[in-house]
Amino acid sequence: TQLLEQSPQFLSIQEGENLTVYCNSSSVFSSLQWYRQEPGEGPVLLVTVVTGGEVKKLKRLTFQFGDARKDSSLHITAAQPGDTGLYLCARSTAGKSTFGDGTTLTVKP
Amino acid sequence: DAGVIQSPRHEVTEMGQEVTLRCKPISGHDYLFWYRQTMMRGLELLIYFNNNVPIDDSGMPEDRFSAKMPNASFSTLKIQPSEPRDSAVYFCASSAGGGNEQFFGPGTRLTVL
Repeated sequence: TQLLEQSPQFLSIQEGENLTVYCNSSSVFSSLQWYRQEPGEGPVLLVTVVTGGEVKKLKRLTFQFGDARKDSSLHITAAQPGDTGLYLCARSTAGKSTFGDGTTLTVKP
Repeated sequence: DAGVIQSPRHEVTEMGQEVTLRCKPISGHDYLFWYRQTMMRGLELLIYFNNNVPIDDSGMPEDRFSAKMPNASFSTLKIQPSEPRDSAVYFCASSAGGGNEQFFGPGTRLTVL
């Protein structure tokens, strides 16, 4: 059973454009993590969101947790080629994480 | 500080052979996770340990897969016999106190011919 749905699956944009990717579930998260995975590497944690309605910013990245804690979004402003990678959301329960299938982002120079 | 270390980085083997993947977690971390990543199935949790004890192995695909953690600084994932459908990237990750942040190794790319 896929607990986390991410969309879009693939996204290809030009440098300087803005974009938003989404992570949705039918059940409530206690917390949600966003990871970025670059080709040939393991995922690296970007942020953890815990509170419904929470917004966190990491430079050009803005993460939002839905009020009902069932969904989250990641918005990137003025994307750069270095943002290219696989963006994964994950939920943790009792130390164990379940990952979505991810959004593969390509930013063309 | 060294991150999670995995070896080998690449492994090519023939069907039926035994494969052993190795992982050294970050010192002081008490949770260790083994994942498999494929295009078709994404990132799947295979098994995880807490204080060297296996807690949940429900993701291990079948009896051909086994994992051990003989001490806090070393874990292995073994596939015997290997099959072409086992081809994937295998990641090891560790965390402290079962917290939300997991630190991943660079992965082992396994190809079974």
